[in-house]
This record gives sequence, structure tokens and C-alpha cells, in this order.
Amino acid sequence: GAVVSQHPSWVICKSGTSVKIECRSLDFQATTMFWYRQFPKQSLMLMATSNEGSKATYEQGVEKDKFLINHASLTLSTLTVTSAHPEDSSFYICSATGLAHEQYFGPGTRLTVT
Amino acid sequence: SQQGEEDPQALSIQEGENATMNCSYKTSINNLQWYRQNSGRGLVHLILIRSNEREKHSGRLRVTLDTSKKSSSLLITASRAADTASYFCATVGSGNTGKLIFGQGTTLQVKP
Repeated sequence: GAVVSQHPSWVICKSGTSVKIECRSLDFQATTMFWYRQFPKQSLMLMATSNEGSKATYEQGVEKDKFLINHASLTLSTLTVTSAHPEDSSFYICSATGLAHEQYFGPGTRLTVT
Repeated sequence: SQQGEEDPQALSIQEGENATMNCSYKTSINNLQWYRQNSGRGLVHLILIRSNEREKHSGRLRVTLDTSKKSSSLLITASRAADTASYFCATVGSGNTGKLIFGQGTTLQVKP
């Protein structure tokens, strides 16, 4: 099946710094990528929809200036958490869709802000 | 936003028993999918059922969909300790944006 990777798999950063998370589709071109956030023992919350070459569409309540999404190519989307705070600590998961709109999920990135 | 409730929130059974999880949703859907997540890991796609389907099987998994009640169930038969994980339903709306909206999930523990 299709493979989606995320990098890094975990990251610890200091409060106030920015962190970039990469999501790559390894063996297919992804027209759309989605970013989710998951707090401990909770479900996945959709943050934004990312289409190659256009601005991301953010879900209600998600700050677009804080969570910068760039979808520069059909195989790469990045999520940058700017001026991170401890409350941004979470598990961030991306998914990528193929031509038939099936979604393939990355393994997730655990962000801890100290 | 969350699509709806999953029931129960937690389930503990013995190996060999069947596990049933339920999911309710709020809006019209194109399809409903079930995913599994081991602790701290990514999601594994289990099964997809379309809005015009009522039941689907895959190995030890059986999924039903009742669009009139806006609900779905996942049955895992002859459970194994390795089935211990969180299970989520997720819906794709009829608008075909491809967005998945997840339920709150059921944590299943299968005791050996």
C-alpha cells in the first residue's frame, strides 16, 4: 500500500520557538494532505486541509498564523508550529489522499514544548 | 469538530470473546471508515463501508451501517490480545471534500 512518512517522529522544543513537521507521500502523488492533532487519550481533530499549490483551508478554531501549512509539491506538506507553547504539545498526524480519495496516514509526530 | 459519539468509551474483554463498538454521527455521509490505533502510533485503516451498503466483512471484522439511525457498529470476533488498541470511526461527508471527521474512539483491552 501507499506509504506516508513524517519527520521528525518526535521533537522537544523550548517555549517560544518554532517547529517544522514534514509529511511526505513516498510512492504516490498526493493532491490533498490533511493535518490532524491528537491530545492524549482523545480522538483526532482535523486542523486543516492542504492542497498543492494553494493556501490551506483551516478548520474553525485553528489559528492559521500559528499553524503554518505549506504544500509545495505533490509529495510534501509541512506544518510549522510558530511560537510554540506548552499547550501546543500534542501528537500531530498527517494524511495524504491518492487519486481515488483514499487516505493514507503518517505515523505521527509527538511534539513536546517545555 | 467531532462527528459524534462512540460507545463504549472503553471495553475490556477476555481473549476469544467478541467485541462490539458503536459509532454515531450527525451529518449525511458518503462513507464511514473504521481505524485502529495502537498507543502512540499512527492509524491503520480497517474497513470502509459506503452509504449505500448495510454490512461488510473483512476477516474477523464485521461492520454494519444504519443510515436512518446515523450509526455504525464494528464487531471483532474471536478477539486476540493483539487486538488491544483504540478504534475510531470516521466519516466522509457527502460533499466529497475527502475530509475525515473522527468519532471519539473506543479503547479496547483484550486480556490473554
